[in-house]
Amino acid sequence: GAGVSQTPSNKVTEKGKYVELRCDPISGHTALYWYRQSLGQGPEFLIYFQGTGAADDSGLPNDRFFAVRPEGSVSTLKIQRTERGDSAVYLCASSLNRGRGTGELFFGEGSRLTVL
Amino acid sequence: SQQGEEDPQALSIQEGENATMNCSYKTSINNLQWYRQNSGRGLVHLILIRSNEREKHSGRLRVTLDTSKKSSSLLITASRAADTASYFCATYHSGYSTLTFGKGTMLLVSP
Repeated sequence: GAGVSQTPSNKVTEKGKYVELRCDPISGHTALYWYRQSLGQGPEFLIYFQGTGAADDSGLPNDRFFAVRPEGSVSTLKIQRTERGDSAVYLCASSLNRGRGTGELFFGEGSRLTVL
Repeated sequence: SQQGEEDPQALSIQEGENATMNCSYKTSINNLQWYRQNSGRGLVHLILIRSNEREKHSGRLRVTLDTSKKSSSLLITASRAADTASYFCATYHSGYSTLTFGKGTMLLVSP
């Protein structure tokens, strides 16, 4: 597709379960970002990939959160032992990243996670 | 943490009126961007202004940047009901690789 694709669009899980959220960026975009957005708030940075490597993971809240991008395209955000406070919309974005801290981001529609 | 702060938090106007939203930030930036988000959807990029620019236009949008005051404004002229959305400013800060977003302004345009 032409845009950033995120699956699932909605995920309801129980406290303590493991969750995976997938992001398929725009073809050719080397930079990929994960953000988290709570109700009434702006997106909060989680992790940034340049190619296959995590260039900046300073936004991950704790070690229950992990993300991979093994082939430099699709990325998976993994959350272990989910807690109710993890409930949010998880947004993925990609960009051409012509230079450090320059370009616009293209966002997916998000994955809404609800932890019961 | 969220560096940008939008003002007002919510704005309600009539179709045809202009809407002005403001954004303040704390540290020096490479550029500032504005995004729009319809309810329950992803964010869409509207406009980017670099730190050495003072004003930029795109259609009905006008963005200003005052780096001495660390502030920006987004003006939407002749608003339409379809402009109803949340608007976020986002900044690239020097030395950082990611965009930092504010909490947004929720704009409601009534027909």
